[in-house]
Amino acid sequence: KNEVEQSPQNLTAQEGEFITINCSYSVGISALHWLQQHPGGGIVSLFMLSSGKKKHGRLIATINIQEKHSSLHITASHPRDSVVYICAVRSGETSGSRLTFGEGTQLTVNP
Amino acid sequence: NAGVTQTPKFQVLKTGQSMTLQCAQDMNHEYMSWYRQDPGMGLRLIHYSVGAGITDQGEVPNGYNVSRSTTEDFPLRLLSAAPSQTSVYFCASSSPWGGLYTFGSGTRLTVV
Repeated sequence: KNEVEQSPQNLTAQEGEFITINCSYSVGISALHWLQQHPGGGIVSLFMLSSGKKKHGRLIATINIQEKHSSLHITASHPRDSVVYICAVRSGETSGSRLTFGEGTQLTVNP
Repeated sequence: NAGVTQTPKFQVLKTGQSMTLQCAQDMNHEYMSWYRQDPGMGLRLIHYSVGAGITDQGEVPNGYNVSRSTTEDFPLRLLSAAPSQTSVYFCASSSPWGGLYTFGSGTRLTVV
């Protein structure tokens, strides 16, 4: 079993729908990251969470430390949101601590 | 523009050849790392560095060397390329307190 599990692996939605991508992990963590990977391969950091919720534009990330679970929500989805979303967890307090990545969720939003 | 510069973007090597993937950042980040990304798997850590002169192994270090002589640069060396090293490689940096990571644009390496 992977230490970081994302679901679903693939998600198709219609423009305007509310999207949820889930991330579950099995190890103790100090922080959880959500990232985007674009079709050309570029990876962009979206959020770093250690508790609660963060919001940036139409993106909302939540984390429940007790349940070892995080969700990434996209409100009013748009075709330009069609990229891969990756969850990663950090096991220690500093950057030298290992990041463990999920396999990613491919989102496709149809117009 | 501030960020992580990674070169080359594409490379084809023959088995047994050596090469160096370059990574440079201009954000004065102390932490730098190399990952490889393979189909059906998450990114995996190859080597990392928490500052100039300090490097350590990650999850999949075999066949790779790194050095960190300056804060800005963190090259990854393939000593004797093998087909199993065909992958997409990413360099990343972050501040030491573990903030957001900044990634390079990736290097697609094919070993034939």
